[in-house]
Amino acid sequence: NAGVTQTPKFRVLKTGQSMTLLCAQDMNHEYMYWYRQDPGMGLRLIHYSVGEGTTAKGEVPDGYNVSRLKKQNFLLGLESAAPSQTSVYFCASSPGVGRGQETQYFGPGTRLLVL
Amino acid sequence: SQQGEEDPQALSIQEGENATMNCSYKTSINNLQWYRQNSGRGLVHLILIRSNEREKHSGRLRVTLDTSKKSSSLLITASRAADTASYFCATDAGTGRRALTFGSGTRLQVQP
Repeated sequence: NAGVTQTPKFRVLKTGQSMTLLCAQDMNHEYMYWYRQDPGMGLRLIHYSVGEGTTAKGEVPDGYNVSRLKKQNFLLGLESAAPSQTSVYFCASSPGVGRGQETQYFGPGTRLLVL
Repeated sequence: SQQGEEDPQALSIQEGENATMNCSYKTSINNLQWYRQNSGRGLVHLILIRSNEREKHSGRLRVTLDTSKKSSSLLITASRAADTASYFCATDAGTGRRALTFGSGTRLQVQP
């Protein structure tokens, strides 16, 4: 199993450009998450999904949109990139609710630089 | 907002020594988890402790939880150079989304 994969690994954007980050998991997990990690701030939740076709806002959703058309994929979109969105983005998944299903599995991250 | 705050922010020890990291949080939790992040990599789950548990062990790891003080500690015994990483505590409030709230992390450097 590949686990959680993220594409691309690194990207440079100009202010105002758009892009989509792709997250894929092969563990048949119900829950998927997008976090951003800034220096000294830990991880903050952007959006999450509790199942195929569902999405919800997290702690810092402004400027981002998401879609989960297939259970294994969770896409994060930036419609008009801003320098404040320069960060490392992590995708994670977890099996679902219930005891023993709380652990999250993380992808390797996407480093995004917005100029 | 950051739920958990780790202390210290950075820790440097010699191989073979024990490393202790502390985490404080603000609201009620269902469980608390510790993750490790090697430089430039994703996070890896280490251990989970539930709100009704006080202590848990996994190999060289020992985690304690004091819900009355809203705090947890992670002890790594007999540290190795390979333990060099950032360590994060993350709290699960038990809501349906199962989203974690992370602290800012402790950077551990183990000198060989």
